Amino acid sequence: AQTVTQSQPEMSVQEAETVTLSCTYDTSESNYYLFWYKQPPSRQMILVIRQEAYKQQNATENRFSVNFQKAAKSFSLKISDSQLGDTAMYFCALTYNQGGKLIFGQGTELSVKP
Amino acid sequence: EAQVTQNPRYLITVTGKKLTVTCSQNMNHEYMSWYRQDPGLGLRQIYYSMNVEVTDKGDVPEGYKVSRKEKRNFPLILESPSPNQTSLYFCASSAIRGPMNTEAFFGQGTRLTVV
Repeated sequence: AQTVTQSQPEMSVQEAETVTLSCTYDTSESNYYLFWYKQPPSRQMILVIRQEAYKQQNATENRFSVNFQKAAKSFSLKISDSQLGDTAMYFCALTYNQGGKLIFGQGTELSVKP
Repeated sequence: EAQVTQNPRYLITVTGKKLTVTCSQNMNHEYMSWYRQDPGLGLRQIYYSMNVEVTDKGDVPEGYKVSRKEKRNFPLILESPSPNQTSLYFCASSAIRGPMNTEAFFGQGTRLTVV
């Protein structure tokens, strides 16, 4: 079975600081993608960043970067220079080669404080 | 504009009264699915469809039905809703290219309350 675990239900960070959200996963597949989704109070699911398992280089999107440790099955999200607009629920997700199914973690609610 | 449209966004209903949540995408995606989001559990897949007339159960299909008569539409049907189906529901679609799918696009979500 494929699983995704986010062990931090809530986190907070001061504006302009850096915060890291943790995610671990388990899969027997060799080919898979990992994602971080942001869900602001509007409930919209917004793709933040994706990582292809066969790529060793960590993905980066502006202030968002990941630390992908394939052997440890760890996929953490680092948010630099946190902004008030980063306040949201963040979901880690996994997909593998059976099609479009996404397996989500429990979510981490991030609060950025002024 | 590429989008997935869900309706309604909010729905309050009574136990046992059949309801349908609609989902439509304009990206000609093959793969569509429904998820429910519950606190502490994240999003879990209810049903999915690989193409027209091809549907299959996800992880939590009990109490739900779907149909895929047209490629763009994938309605979620609750024949006899119960309070434990109170949840936030998302429709999603994605293209299937090669062995791996591409980015999933999500609808705006439907907050369903069953009393």
